[in-house]
Amino acid sequence: EVQLVESGGGLVKPGGSLRLSCAGSGFTFSSYSMNWVRQAPGKGLEWVSSISTSSEYIHYADSVKGRFTISRDNAKNSLFLQMNSLRAEDTAVYYCARVSGYLQEWGLGTLVTVSS
Amino acid sequence: NFMLTQPHSVSESPGKTVTISCTGSSGSIASNYVQWYQQRPGSAPTTVIYEDNQRPSGVPDRFSGSIDSSSNSASLTISGLKTEDEADYYCQSFHSGNHWVFGGGTKLTVL
Repeated sequence: EVQLVESGGGLVKPGGSLRLSCAGSGFTFSSYSMNWVRQAPGKGLEWVSSISTSSEYIHYADSVKGRFTISRDNAKNSLFLQMNSLRAEDTAVYYCARVSGYLQEWGLGTLVTVSS
Repeated sequence: NFMLTQPHSVSESPGKTVTISCTGSSGSIASNYVQWYQQRPGSAPTTVIYEDNQRPSGVPDRFSGSIDSSSNSASLTISGLKTEDEADYYCQSFHSGNHWVFGGGTKLTVL
């Protein structure tokens, strides 16, 4: 069974940093590109970032470019999102998702709250 | 910036058919595949349509997708509506080849 489990969310002050993790299991993690997608409370889905299988291609939404860094460790079947200079508008549930041309599998998400 | 526009909400009765539209702001919506995701309250999204009109295994054939180039729109049609179809639905496509774009979402009420 494919599983994606996010962790690392929590409450952080504006300007602070947080590192999210996503553990994949039940599939060959290194064979799939991965994405982060977020959803602010009561709002729609917003793509955040994507990373290819060997990290050769990385892309960011304009809203997070220069502040967030996506990475992966295929040996540990893990995806990461380093979030710096956090703002109130970054408050959201962050999902990791497996890519197969589309977002084929999703995790349950981890909540990030940016507030003083 | 490229945007996908969906109606905020739609409603229909059980057993009926409903169609949700997704209109591209520029370019040709047919240039990139469109996906549709279903999100029930309190749950993560799941895919109901990918590559314009393909259904993942396990998704009933009551769900179908199409593209209309004349209106630069994609559509998700759900026939034989069931109360369990009540959810938010999001279309998704691509911009500049490598940026993922979501529509604003449509709340489907089955009443």
